[in-house]
Amino acid sequence: GAVVSQHPSWVICKSGTSVKIECRSLDFQATTMFWYRQFPKQSLMLMATSNEGSKATYEQGVEKDKFLINHASLTLSTLTVTSAHPEDSSFYICSAGTSGGRETQYFGPGTRLLVL
Amino acid sequence: AQSVTQPDIHITVSEGASLELRCNYSYGATPYLFWYVQSPGQGLQLLLKYFSGDTLVQGIKGFEAEFKRSQSSFNLRKPSVHWSDAAEYFCAVGTRFSGGYNKLIFGAGTRLAVHP
Repeated sequence: GAVVSQHPSWVICKSGTSVKIECRSLDFQATTMFWYRQFPKQSLMLMATSNEGSKATYEQGVEKDKFLINHASLTLSTLTVTSAHPEDSSFYICSAGTSGGRETQYFGPGTRLLVL
Repeated sequence: AQSVTQPDIHITVSEGASLELRCNYSYGATPYLFWYVQSPGQGLQLLLKYFSGDTLVQGIKGFEAEFKRSQSSFNLRKPSVHWSDAAEYFCAVGTRFSGGYNKLIFGAGTRLAVHP
């Protein structure tokens, strides 16, 4: 149980294009989903938190218009990197958690983005 | 402010040897504590978690961790390491938000190498 998938697993795009990454909880309903960014050999940095049906909460320093997050259902959240540039190249990981306070976050396998 | 410190960036052990990965946290209230493992190019897998109760927590893959409030520590241990345990290990503290979810703060990670 508690499986989270991400699609695509990797993507290469040209500078200036937009890229959408999907995060799905496969066997449970996720009240809250989280998006992280991880640079090589570094820890995970939380970008934003999204609750189903409401606007995402972004961490300080994360551009809302750059990283669009939609949490349309209890099993799906999407991250769109708009007008991507080479500095946006990174490993993006989502996680999903249930409500209730003591929930555990279950992580997806990650999406590697390379912007040329 | 909440923080997690993993003092050891890189640890190398021989297969069959015991292992202890250190984690110290800074948090004003009773913390929710987690250990995750990440294999190269993969997402994070939950090893174990502590919310309350018994301070010695058993996890998957033969790992255990002990919560010591007096030392603000949550060290991860394994009595006999296998070559497949080579990975990056992250300690995290969950901070309870009014929105009803846990926001995870990660340590910098400890990379474990296992010699045959």
